[in-house]
Amino acid sequence: DTAVSQTPKYLVTQMGNDKSIKCEQNLGHDTMYWYKQDSKKFLKIMFSYNNKELIINETVPNRFSPKSPDKAHLNLHINSLELGDSAVYFCASSPPTGGTGELFFGEGSRLTVL
Amino acid sequence: SQQGEEDPQALSIQEGENATMNCSYKTSINNLQWYRQNSGRGLVHLILIRSNEREKHSGRLRVTLDTSKKSSSLLITASRAADTASYFCATGPTNFGNEKLTFGTGTRLTIIP
Repeated sequence: DTAVSQTPKYLVTQMGNDKSIKCEQNLGHDTMYWYKQDSKKFLKIMFSYNNKELIINETVPNRFSPKSPDKAHLNLHINSLELGDSAVYFCASSPPTGGTGELFFGEGSRLTVL
Repeated sequence: SQQGEEDPQALSIQEGENATMNCSYKTSINNLQWYRQNSGRGLVHLILIRSNEREKHSGRLRVTLDTSKKSSSLLITASRAADTASYFCATGPTNFGNEKLTFGTGTRLTIIP
């Protein structure tokens, strides 16, 4: 029943490692996003995809590589993790532009880099 | 750069009182949205107001928008303990859809039973 689900919910890893976070939405939406929320609760857009195509990349380092195998999935792979990557990463989706404008968020994936 | 800023950063009120949060933004917008985030959870959409609207209601929520001052307010009436959460405004710029939705810094609301 979960509309936007992301896994894992918690991720603890060492600096330099590579990790992935997966996201799936069952709402039939065309657009999906990755947001990063830092320790001060500041929420910043990282990427957005529309029908598997990248449409927004907000100056995110190349170590972050999103992949959308189909419009229901948007995964985030992070290479060579750094301490500053510690944050909560949220996946979201929304219906086509011109709809309600509402974003539907997942529950977040808390990444801790040691 | 950060688009929206909420004021105050934190607010504590007694249950039953009204809570007012403000949001200021910098550029022209298509719409402004308010979201709630409970501790450790994802954001939940509360209400959307379009740039040609001045006021909107949804249950105990009232949102106003003043595009000339580039500001919005969210009023929660008759607050309940369950309203304890962080509240964020998000602005959708003109000429873009949700792809460029930008969130403010949030107001942490605590309702004291």
